Amino acid sequence: QVQLLQSGTEVRRPGASVRVSCRASGYTFTNYYIYWVRQAPGQGLEWVGIISTSGGGTVYAEKFQGRVSMTRDTSTDTVYMQLRSLRSDDSAVYYCARVGDSPGDVWGQGTAVIVSS
Amino acid sequence: EIVLTQSPGTLSLSPGERATLSCRASQTITSNYLAWYQQKPGQAPRLLIYGASSRATGIPDRFSGSGSGTDFTLTIRRLEPEDFAVYYCQQYGSSPPRFNFGPGTKVDIK
Repeated sequence: QVQLLQSGTEVRRPGASVRVSCRASGYTFTNYYIYWVRQAPGQGLEWVGIISTSGGGTVYAEKFQGRVSMTRDTSTDTVYMQLRSLRSDDSAVYYCARVGDSPGDVWGQGTAVIVSS
Repeated sequence: EIVLTQSPGTLSLSPGERATLSCRASQTITSNYLAWYQQKPGQAPRLLIYGASSRATGIPDRFSGSGSGTDFTLTIRRLEPEDFAVYYCQQYGSSPPRFNFGPGTKVDIK
């Protein structure tokens, strides 16, 4: 069964960093890119960036450049997204999604990141 | 950067009615790399349509996508109770890659 399994809820103070994981199973990991999307409470979907799971190359949305890093571990079929210098408006549900011939056919279940003092 | 606009913001319809949702891009979307998603509260988005008109695996044929260039449409032929949700369009395939979303259209029960 093809799935993306994300890590659990994270709570951080403003200024801290968070790392969210997304583990793939049921398919060949390196055949598909992974991108990240976030959704603040009651808001729409916002694209964060994308990583090539084969070569590790990344492209980030301009809004997040300098604060976000995406990496992958091909030994565990896992992608990581780290967001630094967290602010309260970074509080959101973060999703990973698979990209192949179609842009998001499989999604993770989402990870809530709560930034609060 | 391509900006997507969706209309209407909210569409109030009854089960059995036809829903027509619009997505307009600020620039031409190359190769019709436009997708549509459905999202219900507390759930991840679900891919409905990609390449402007291709249905994703398992999507009922009451969902159809059309359009090209800058104007795209998602049509739900006869609304079922489970179709009341928020719908997002997304552009992809640009260089460098961007996967921007529109602001969404909420389809609610009249």
